[in-house]
Amino acid sequence: AQTVTQSQPEMSVQEAETVTLSCTYDTSESDYYLFWYKQPPSRQMILVIRQEAYKQQNATENRFSVNFQKAAKSFSLKISDSQLGDAAMYFCAFNTNAGKSTFGDGTTLTVKP
Amino acid sequence: DVKVTQSSRYLVKRTGEKVFLECVQDMDHENMFWYRQDPGLGLRLIYFSYDVKMKEKGDIPEGYSVSREKKERFSLILESASTNQTSMYLCASTLGQSRSPLHFGNGTRLTVT
Repeated sequence: AQTVTQSQPEMSVQEAETVTLSCTYDTSESDYYLFWYKQPPSRQMILVIRQEAYKQQNATENRFSVNFQKAAKSFSLKISDSQLGDAAMYFCAFNTNAGKSTFGDGTTLTVKP
Repeated sequence: DVKVTQSSRYLVKRTGEKVFLECVQDMDHENMFWYRQDPGLGLRLIYFSYDVKMKEKGDIPEGYSVSREKKERFSLILESASTNQTSMYLCASTLGQSRSPLHFGNGTRLTVT
């Protein structure tokens, strides 16, 4: 069975600063996909970024990037130039080849003006 | 853009009532999922479906059932609601590929009194 661990229940960052959210996972599979999702307060959960396990290059989407360490089973999310709109709960998720997602418990990010 | 619509944003039901949560997606996705979200527990998979009339149990199926009579609609049924089923329920859909991210509805906050 797959497990996903987000060790930081809460994080805070000053506006315009950089913050890194941690995620580790455990699996015996070699081919899989990792995702970060964002859930703003009272709003819909949306995809932030995706990483294919077979790719060594870290995924980047504008101010969001990942640090994917396959051997260490680590998948952290870096948010650069943080904005007030980045305040949300962030979930790390792991997809098996069967298409099922396993989620971490989430990290609540506060952005201070 | 994929739209996943959950019929109710907020729902209040009494213990013992039969409760239906409806979810509709408009992008011809094969896979549909029902998750339950509770503070500190992340998202837990209740049931999922890979095709019409097909269903599989997730991690916490007890007390729930599902129905998928049409590809675009996936219903979650609480046969006899209990107070411990008070929670946020999220519906999601995705293409039948492990690389595909989940597309979520807005969620239904169910309170059972």
